[in-house]
Amino acid sequence: AQSVTQPDIHITVSEGASLELRCNYSYGATPYLFWYVQSPGQGLQLLLKYFSGDTLVQGIKGFEAEFKRSQSSFNLRKPSVHWSDAAEYFCAVGKLSGNTPLVFGKGTRLSVIA
Amino acid sequence: GAGVSQSPSNKVTEKGKDVELRCDPISGHTALYWYRQSLGQGLEFLIYFQGNSAPDKSGLPSDRFSAERTGGSVSTLTIQRTQQEDSAVYLCASSPVGAMNTEAFFGQGTRLTVV
Repeated sequence: AQSVTQPDIHITVSEGASLELRCNYSYGATPYLFWYVQSPGQGLQLLLKYFSGDTLVQGIKGFEAEFKRSQSSFNLRKPSVHWSDAAEYFCAVGKLSGNTPLVFGKGTRLSVIA
Repeated sequence: GAGVSQSPSNKVTEKGKDVELRCDPISGHTALYWYRQSLGQGLEFLIYFQGNSAPDKSGLPSDRFSAERTGGSVSTLTIQRTQQEDSAVYLCASSPVGAMNTEAFFGQGTRLTVV
């Protein structure tokens, strides 16, 4: 069965510092991978997704993620964090065959300090 | 509307009562999903509708939970005889084709509190 692990429950970074949120997945074939963000009181918004091809994907709001098959990871990065990035971040994995719901990790809460 | 709409946004109910949560997906989206988000637990899949196919109910936690989707559009999630452990945010999502592997659009959720 698919599973997603986000090892960090809560991360605090200073504004302007770089950010990396970790995501590890378990899946027997090439997965579809996603990062969603949930701001306080808001629904989930898709940041980026990986289906195939270039393993470094660019998303909205200056985020990027790199798929590393050898490490079963899909870590999210941003070179310079803004205070508005404070939110909950969810990694998710889907099946190539589709018609199935995404499996989500438990999320990482990001706090940004001045 | 432009996005997925859920109502009510907040619901407080007494233990043992039934509740209905509503989801209006984006017009034309054939797939609709319900998830439950509990504190520190991430998103738990509940049920999935795709067109006229039989729904995938594999995520429903008990027979107190049920959902229907009328006319391929609006969906209602019903929880009977609510328990305190049902307290969570219930999220609905829709996608334009039959898989979340494209992009799923989420509503803002219904926060259910069972007292």
